[in-house]
Amino acid sequence: DQQVKQNSPSLSVQEGRISILNCDYTNSMFDYFLWYKKYPAEGPTFLISISSIKDKNEDGRFTVFLNKSAKHLSLHIVPSQPGDSAVYFCAASPLSNSGYALNFGKGTSLLVTP
Amino acid sequence: EPEVTQTPSHQVTQMGQEVILRCVPISNHLYFYWYRQILGQKVEFLVSFYNNEISEKSEIFDDQFSVERPDGSNFTLKIRSTKLEDSAMYFCASSCPAHISLSCYEQFFGPGTRLTVL
Repeated sequence: DQQVKQNSPSLSVQEGRISILNCDYTNSMFDYFLWYKKYPAEGPTFLISISSIKDKNEDGRFTVFLNKSAKHLSLHIVPSQPGDSAVYFCAASPLSNSGYALNFGKGTSLLVTP
Repeated sequence: EPEVTQTPSHQVTQMGQEVILRCVPISNHLYFYWYRQILGQKVEFLVSFYNNEISEKSEIFDDQFSVERPDGSNFTLKIRSTKLEDSAMYFCASSCPAHISLSCYEQFFGPGTRLTVL
C-alpha cells in the first residue's frame, strides 16, 4: 500500500546544477508534506516542509513545490553540492492526524558529482 | 544542538526472545515515535506516544509490541517474542516543542538500532 511514491530510485547531478527530486501521493487526505535526508548509518534528518495551503516553500538552497491537484511535490536543490549526496525521503500526513504519523516514500538516492 | 539518542546501535537476538530498544528523545518534546525500516523498504510508522499514552499506532504494532516511558527521559520499545521478520532498523523520533502545533510533524530522528533476529 504505497500512498507516497518516489518513482526514481536514484539521481545523479553535477555539482553546481539543480537537483530535482519528485514525489507523488495517492491519499487526498494528506495535507502536510516533508522532505528528509538520510546518510548511511544515520537517522533521517528533517529538511523542509510544506502545508497544503501553500504551493511553494523555500529555505536557502532548498525549495519544495506542491501541486495539490496533481498530488505531486518536488524538492529542488540549487546549487547542488557533493555534501548533498544522500537518500532523500518524501513524507506526508493528514493534518487531522491525532498522532502525527508520517507516511514515507521509498527514497531517492542523490549523487552529486564534482 | 539537542538530538535523539538510541541504544544499542546493534542488537542481535534469537527468535522468540524479548528485546527492549531504548531511546532518549529531545528533552522539551512532547511526542515520541517509533518507526522501522526493513532492508530495502520504506520507513514505516509503528506508534506515537503522548502524555504517557499511545496516541496512534499502525497495523504493524500488534500485541507483540509495547512502548513505555519508564522515567522522565527514556522511551522504550519492547518486542515480546521476536520473529525473523522483525529484523529491521528501528528509529526513535520526537517532535512538538511545547505549545507549537505544525512543528509536531517535523520529527527529529535518532541514529537507529539495527535489530537482527536469528
